[in-house]
Amino acid sequence: DMKVTQMPRYLIKRMGENVLLECGQDMSHETMYWYRQDPGLGLQLIYISYDVDSNSEGDIPKGYRVSRKKREHFSLILDSAKTNQTSVYFCASSPRDRGGQDTQYFGPGTRLLVL
Amino acid sequence: GQQVQQSPASLVLQEGENAELQCNFSTSLNSMQWFYQRPGGSLVSLFYNPSGTKHSGRLTSTTVIKERRSSLHISSSQTTDSGTYLCALERNAGAKLTFGGGTRLTVRP
Repeated sequence: DMKVTQMPRYLIKRMGENVLLECGQDMSHETMYWYRQDPGLGLQLIYISYDVDSNSEGDIPKGYRVSRKKREHFSLILDSAKTNQTSVYFCASSPRDRGGQDTQYFGPGTRLLVL
Repeated sequence: GQQVQQSPASLVLQEGENAELQCNFSTSLNSMQWFYQRPGGSLVSLFYNPSGTKHSGRLTSTTVIKERRSSLHISSSQTTDSGTYLCALERNAGAKLTFGGGTRLTVRP
């Protein structure tokens, strides 16, 4: 059963604290993603990772960094969290066939509240 | 302007009615994906449809590249179909998706 997991599911932090969101997948997918979803703004891509240590900025990377040291794990890090980073964060993964076409599988999301 | 626009923004149906959801895009397309999201839930992929028509149970997706549109048809709607439907454009083979704002569907018994 293909699965993307996220930890933690809920998190409350104070402004200025560091935040680590973790994502795992058991499908040996090469490509992994981090999105955030906000009312009225929809889903926005933060970072994409094409494989271990091969990361690329998405549409809204400012204030975030990522780490991918193993193919099955992809972390999102907020150094000194800000209140406007309160959001629901989704991780996703996808296989990459030769044509470059794929579908994305999403994790359950992490609800982050920055006070 | 927005690259991916969905309509309608919200839709209320009586159980058994059909629904037609639209997604229009203004950029080149490598592929189009449709997702379903329950309130407060994760996204589930419904269709990966670069062009043409695909069927899955009561759902049909049609993508017409030259008209820059994709549609999702739900036949004989059920209350369990309620939720948000999102289309997402894959702009090129770089695998980055741009999402539309979604259509919030409510199916009443």
